[in-house]
Amino acid sequence: NAGVTQTPKFRVLKTGQSMTLLCAQDMNHEYMYWYRQDPGMGLRLIHYSVGEGTTAKGEVPDGYNVSRLKKQNFLLGLESAAPSQTSVYFCASSYGKVRYEQYFGPGTRLTVT
Amino acid sequence: AQTVTQSQPEMSVQEAETVTLSCTYDTSESNYYLFWYKQPPSRQMILVIRQEAYKQQNATENRFSVNFQKAAKSFSLKISDSQLGDTAMYFCAFMKRREGAQKLVFGQGTRLTINP
Repeated sequence: NAGVTQTPKFRVLKTGQSMTLLCAQDMNHEYMYWYRQDPGMGLRLIHYSVGEGTTAKGEVPDGYNVSRLKKQNFLLGLESAAPSQTSVYFCASSYGKVRYEQYFGPGTRLTVT
Repeated sequence: AQTVTQSQPEMSVQEAETVTLSCTYDTSESNYYLFWYKQPPSRQMILVIRQEAYKQQNATENRFSVNFQKAAKSFSLKISDSQLGDTAMYFCAFMKRREGAQKLVFGQGTRLTINP
């Protein structure tokens, strides 16, 4: 039981490049989330999903897209990376409804130059 | 919108001492959850303790306990008999209790250092 895993762990992009971050969970969770963490700040919600095939915007969605084609996977895409997207990205998942605890992945450190 | 404020950017105590981290929040909701997360240098977010707002009793988990003051919108974390492994960033977080997505709102964090 791996819990929540994220791929890759580190990445460096040039401005304007694109990439996809993959989050996978093996706990059969319904809900999945993408957060970003900037220096000196707590995590902020980018996008989330309450089930396969559904996604919604969080607090800071601009510049990102997401997809949840399979229940166990939640992808975060950057179509045209900008230096302001340099951050650590965390994925989380939860059962949803009355079981609300979120389980976090180890994070992906992304640098955009 | 909900906000969470941690007014202590950094704290430092000696091993075995007791330390209290402060957290205040602003919400118009009556049903919600509050959490403390620990983030050690490994970067992994670890849930330390949770509190359900409808419960008056303060939550405890071994050496960790909270002082939940609903009227004052205050949620402090007390670590007793602190250990070197408690060195980490600590984040207070808020979640509305409702159907649908359960979004966490985090404070800015407190960097706690336990000195030998």
